[in-house]
Amino acid sequence: DAGVIQSPRHEVTEMGQEVTLRCKPISGHDYLFWYRQTMMRGLELLIYFNNNVPIDDSGMPEDRFSAKMPNASFSNLKIQPSEPRDSAVYFCASSRQGNTEAFFGQGTRLTVV
Amino acid sequence: GEDVEQSLFLSVREGDSSVINCTYTDSSSTYLYWYKQEPGAGLQLLTYIFSNMDMKQDQRLTVLLNKKDKHLSLRIADTQTGDSAIYFCAEGMGSNSGYALNFGKGTSLLVTP
Repeated sequence: DAGVIQSPRHEVTEMGQEVTLRCKPISGHDYLFWYRQTMMRGLELLIYFNNNVPIDDSGMPEDRFSAKMPNASFSNLKIQPSEPRDSAVYFCASSRQGNTEAFFGQGTRLTVV
Repeated sequence: GEDVEQSLFLSVREGDSSVINCTYTDSSSTYLYWYKQEPGAGLQLLTYIFSNMDMKQDQRLTVLLNKKDKHLSLRIADTQTGDSAIYFCAEGMGSNSGYALNFGKGTSLLVTP
């Protein structure tokens, strides 16, 4: 398996634009997680899905952030409108039910100018 | 989640042992993890320990767990320059969450020749 695949690897956008980050989990995994990494706050859990259903989105910073998982092989995280403080590395991870290990993608480095 | 605490920096000489310490918050955490992040890369699971264990050894890595004090440590024997990276302690939020992770801010390990 190719592992968790995220795209793009890098994104630079202007403030106010919509940003879409994409994730393909490992085939057969039941859980999908979105994390955000910043210098100030470290790694934070934003939202996670189980069998494509959002279970806990309490980590989503505000209404400008939304995430969907339309099927078992794809999820996206949208920021609309984007702001400079959204600049961070966004990681997607997936895991299998009953398995203690989550596998992380390489991350998307987002810069909002 | 609440804060998982780690020291921010550690510098050791090649060949010495490194010990990275962590205090966690949730006494009900079933699993505790150590992840490694190299520059520009995603997170790689190094090892994890089940909460009913005191110690786990895996080649050069030794994890010690003190549940009473909620203290976790990672010892790297014979540290090499390739071990230079950021090390994250994380507590699993339970099987119902697919073991979503609450991370510390990471310890930057620098190994000098």
